Amino acid sequence: AQSVTQLDSQVPVFEEAPVELRCNYSSSVSVYLFWYVQYPNQGLQLLLKYLSGSTLVKGINGFEAEFNKSQTSFHLRKPSVHISDTAEYFCAVSMPGTASKLTFGTGTRLQVTL
Amino acid sequence: DTEVTQTPKHLVMGMTNKKSLKCEQHMGHRAMYWYKQKAKKPPELMFVYSYEKLSINESVPSRFSPECPNSSLLNLHLHALQPEDSALYLCASSQDGPNSGNTIYFGEGSWLTVV
Repeated sequence: AQSVTQLDSQVPVFEEAPVELRCNYSSSVSVYLFWYVQYPNQGLQLLLKYLSGSTLVKGINGFEAEFNKSQTSFHLRKPSVHISDTAEYFCAVSMPGTASKLTFGTGTRLQVTL
Repeated sequence: DTEVTQTPKHLVMGMTNKKSLKCEQHMGHRAMYWYKQKAKKPPELMFVYSYEKLSINESVPSRFSPECPNSSLLNLHLHALQPEDSALYLCASSQDGPNSGNTIYFGEGSWLTVV
């Protein structure tokens, strides 16, 4: 079975600074990888996903992530954050070709301050 | 803006009550999901319906009963719940199952409080 580890439960950052949210996965087979954002009192919104092909994936709101198979990582980055990026970010994984589920990491709280 | 609509947004129910959560999508998706999310935790999958048939039940207690009347609607019937069942219940849909890589679209959720 696959699993996802988000190493940082909270990441404080100043506005306009760059940020990286870390995600590592464990799977013996190929996987699909996703980043979702959850703003306070809302549902989840997809930021970006990696299915295959180019390892650098660009998403909405200026976010991007890089798939690194050798390090089994899928870290999320943004070069300059805004106050409005304050939210909970979840990394998730699913396995292609099986009836498996979307498995979420424990989440990282991004707190952007002035 | 989410295209998965959930009602009600907030529900308070007693342990002996029977209530239902409703979910609707008009994106033509053929897979629909119920997730449960406790505070400061990731969503946990409860059920998956694929082409209107229950395909995954993550060992959810029988006091939660899902129903998929048609491809656009998904209900979650609640009966004899416990206070620890209080959580945010998220409905979601995708064009196909989670193994296909299709984006899973989430609704805003229904906040359930069991008293």
